[in-house]
Amino acid sequence: DAKTTQPTSMDCAEGRAANLPCNHSTISGNEYVYWYRQIHSQGPQYIIHGLKNNETNEMASLIITEDRKSSTLILPHATLRDTAVYYCIVRVAPGGTGNEKLTFGTGTRLTIIP
Amino acid sequence: EAQVTQNPRYLITVTGKKLTVTCSQNMNHEYMSWYRQDPGLGLRQIYYSMNVEVTDKGDVPEGYKVSRKEKRNFPLILESPSPNQTSLYFCASSWGKAGGRGYEQYFGPGTRLTVT
Repeated sequence: DAKTTQPTSMDCAEGRAANLPCNHSTISGNEYVYWYRQIHSQGPQYIIHGLKNNETNEMASLIITEDRKSSTLILPHATLRDTAVYYCIVRVAPGGTGNEKLTFGTGTRLTIIP
Repeated sequence: EAQVTQNPRYLITVTGKKLTVTCSQNMNHEYMSWYRQDPGLGLRQIYYSMNVEVTDKGDVPEGYKVSRKEKRNFPLILESPSPNQTSLYFCASSWGKAGGRGYEQYFGPGTRLTVT
């Protein structure tokens, strides 16, 4: 699985858009970008995933650059409940015959400021 | 509601006293997995299971056992716990080989274990 690089920490004002970057310059053609978050020692929570097109769901948007070497997770209107550690993970799609292990790096600690 | 449950949520025990942490999912997922999370080391996989009666070691399996007798349950067993197994434990599940039905993994709420 490709390695990812994220900033250690970020702050964002409540109500503003939070933009979390991730570099994955060694990503392979069949690898997806996944985002999970962990709110204060709770279980990690899936946010969104994408292959090469931009994606949006009820939680966030995912923007992947054309060369797929980096991506940005966007929380459009951050609230205090969005304070968490955000993990960018790159791995192949599920459904194969191997281990579905997620490799969590150190992530970005996002703090939403009132 | 789709969920992964773990019990107990908190446990303090003594060295050598066997314990079991239960994990159950209600989504008919084939794949289940255990992780431990320690400060500075992140989440590390202990064991995983691709289906009933199919289990395999993850990155840090020493001192742990698992079983998968039913699809919904995946207990983690510490036969002789030691202080270095003090950690926060998470169970996770997903569709596995039926991956086209969903890409996300679901995590339980965690079990905080202290071994003295």
